[in-house]
Amino acid sequence: QVQLQESGPGLVKPSETLSLTCAVSDFSISSGDYWGWIRQPPGKGLEWIGSIYHSGNTYYNPSLQSRVTISVDTSKNHFSLNLTSVTAADTAVYYCARQTTVVTPPNDNFDYWGQGTLVTVSS
Amino acid sequence: DIQMTQSPSSLSASIGDRVTITCRASQSIRRDLNWYQQKPGKAPKLLIYAASHLQSGVPSRFSGSGSGTDFSLTISSLQPEDFATYYCQQSYSTLWTFGQGTKVEV
Repeated sequence: QVQLQESGPGLVKPSETLSLTCAVSDFSISSGDYWGWIRQPPGKGLEWIGSIYHSGNTYYNPSLQSRVTISVDTSKNHFSLNLTSVTAADTAVYYCARQTTVVTPPNDNFDYWGQGTLVTVSS
Repeated sequence: DIQMTQSPSSLSASIGDRVTITCRASQSIRRDLNWYQQKPGKAPKLLIYAASHLQSGVPSRFSGSGSGTDFSLTISSLQPEDFATYYCQQSYSTLWTFGQGTKVEV
């Protein structure tokens, strides 16, 4: 059973950088699949932030692309999210998830999720 | 961006009811549609992938259908543990998008 665990500061000041790490256990990131970040503002819906492959190949939500960097450290079996120049609008629960690819039928989905971590942007 | 629109936004139902939630995409997404269940304070859980395929371990009372732009999630007989918010999500484009959610409540 793949397990994911987010970690990082729960409070970030406006204009600063939000940094989170997702530790993966019971599954090697190098085995394949993409790994993603999704966020959910309090009381609202889900927004995909971006995803990364173990090789470092990334793709991001264009609405956040100028501020987002996702990186992977296969030696530590974790991947990370950096979001710069945060504002109150970035206050959300941030989830990491495994983005798996099904061959038959062809499909990509988020099948394993971390428990989520609330990040509040406030001075 | 592909917009995903769910209806209704919320619904009231009783134990044993048959419940159907719909999801409409702003353009054809073939069958690249997934459904998730989220309970308060918890991460979303994958229920259905590729429009109609039941994720391992998910009860058979859940089913999905549709293709192109119109999809539905059906719970054949609502159980107490099914009261939750349900989200559809398209994986057709690399800009993955979710519906706004449907809250199923008593």
